Amino acid sequence: DGGITQSPKYLFRKEGQNVTLSCEQNLNHDAMYWYRQDPGQGLRLIYYSQIVNDFQKGDIAEGYSVSREKKESFPLTVTSAQKNPTAFYLCASSISGKHSPLHFGNGTRLTVT
Amino acid sequence: QKEVEQDPGPLSVPEGAIVSLNCTYSNSAFQYFMWYRQYSRKGPELLMYTYSSGNKEDGRFTAQVDKSSKYISLFIRDSQPSDSATYLCAMSAARDDKIIFGKGTRLHILP
Repeated sequence: DGGITQSPKYLFRKEGQNVTLSCEQNLNHDAMYWYRQDPGQGLRLIYYSQIVNDFQKGDIAEGYSVSREKKESFPLTVTSAQKNPTAFYLCASSISGKHSPLHFGNGTRLTVT
Repeated sequence: QKEVEQDPGPLSVPEGAIVSLNCTYSNSAFQYFMWYRQYSRKGPELLMYTYSSGNKEDGRFTAQVDKSSKYISLFIRDSQPSDSATYLCAMSAARDDKIIFGKGTRLHILP
């Protein structure tokens, strides 16, 4: 069954710690994305990658970092520089990144205290 | 003016009614239009994907695009309690790789 797997579903961290969210896809999609979803804010793009070893900043990249060493994997690190890291994080992929619709994982809820 | 506007709701309708969900947008370059459904604590799932103007039907769902008015709609016929979710519109322009999302409308179907 093809899809996008995000793990873990819930993550708790202390302030000042970096944390890495996992995203794996077996859809053979070229493009992958990270979004953040907050109540009343909609989906905001953090980073995206259209090809292995290349990625671009989205609208709210500050305090986040990514890597794309393999086509299937696009991990997101939330660093201690991110001022308000508590949020619901969604990973997505698309066939080509050019107007292709996005397929989403089921998200990771990160809580930082 | 925001690029994509969507009424957050909540919208409550009785089971069996026709539901109309809408988005307006300001960028006339948008040509690709999508509707996603998102259940609580889950990721959005694609419902409809359309290009340019016109209608597209899939089962109980109909997507409508009116580019002259910069207005898109999603109609749900014979609504069911299982349709209760947040519905997100999304769109992109031909020259842009990014997809812009509305903030979503919460829909409640009352049994």
